[in-house]
Amino acid sequence: DQQVKQNSPSLSVQEGRISILNCDYTNSMFDYFLWYKKYPAEGPTFLISISSIKDKNEDGRFTVFLNKSAKHLSLHIVPSQPGDSAVYFCASSSNTGKLIFGQGTTLQVKP
Amino acid sequence: DAGVIQSPRHEVTEMGQEVTLRCKPISGHDYLFWYRQTMMRGLELLIYFNNNVPIDDSGMPEDRFSAKMPNASFSTLKIQPSEPRDSAVYFCASRFQPTEAFFGQGTRLTVV
Repeated sequence: DQQVKQNSPSLSVQEGRISILNCDYTNSMFDYFLWYKKYPAEGPTFLISISSIKDKNEDGRFTVFLNKSAKHLSLHIVPSQPGDSAVYFCASSSNTGKLIFGQGTTLQVKP
Repeated sequence: DAGVIQSPRHEVTEMGQEVTLRCKPISGHDYLFWYRQTMMRGLELLIYFNNNVPIDDSGMPEDRFSAKMPNASFSTLKIQPSEPRDSAVYFCASRFQPTEAFFGQGTRLTVV
């Protein structure tokens, strides 16, 4: 069973507009959430994270929102740039240290 | 630190052969993870270690897969015997709980 789900395999947006990537999780024991970005032929790289005690964390153009009651998190990128085109993975972690990832969403930002 | 180092970067082997993937985590990190990237499941967690001890190997697909971490600086993932359906990119990652995990470049395994 997939404990972390990214239901949109792909997303296409215009340069300068907002990109919104979504992620759902099932385990209420998760207490730390992360987003990663992955380019082809490279390992995933960390983008931004949020603790379960917060509902928002912002870092430059990237903002992560957490809705614990809905077990849902989202990543907002604004403004989107062509260099943001990549696969984005959300991940959830519990206090056991286990780190589980979703299936990924391929973002394409068109110039 | 050079980051998480995986070897080899590419591996092509024949069905039935033994394959060993290697990982050197970042010094000081206390968790090490092995993932397999597939289209259907994304980054699938195979096994993870805490302080060199395997904590959860429920993601290991079959008994053909095994992983060890003999010390804090080295881990291996072994597939014996390998099958064509094992072809994928395998990633190793390490972290110092509860911070973010850092990934290696991955090993692209092709079993023919």
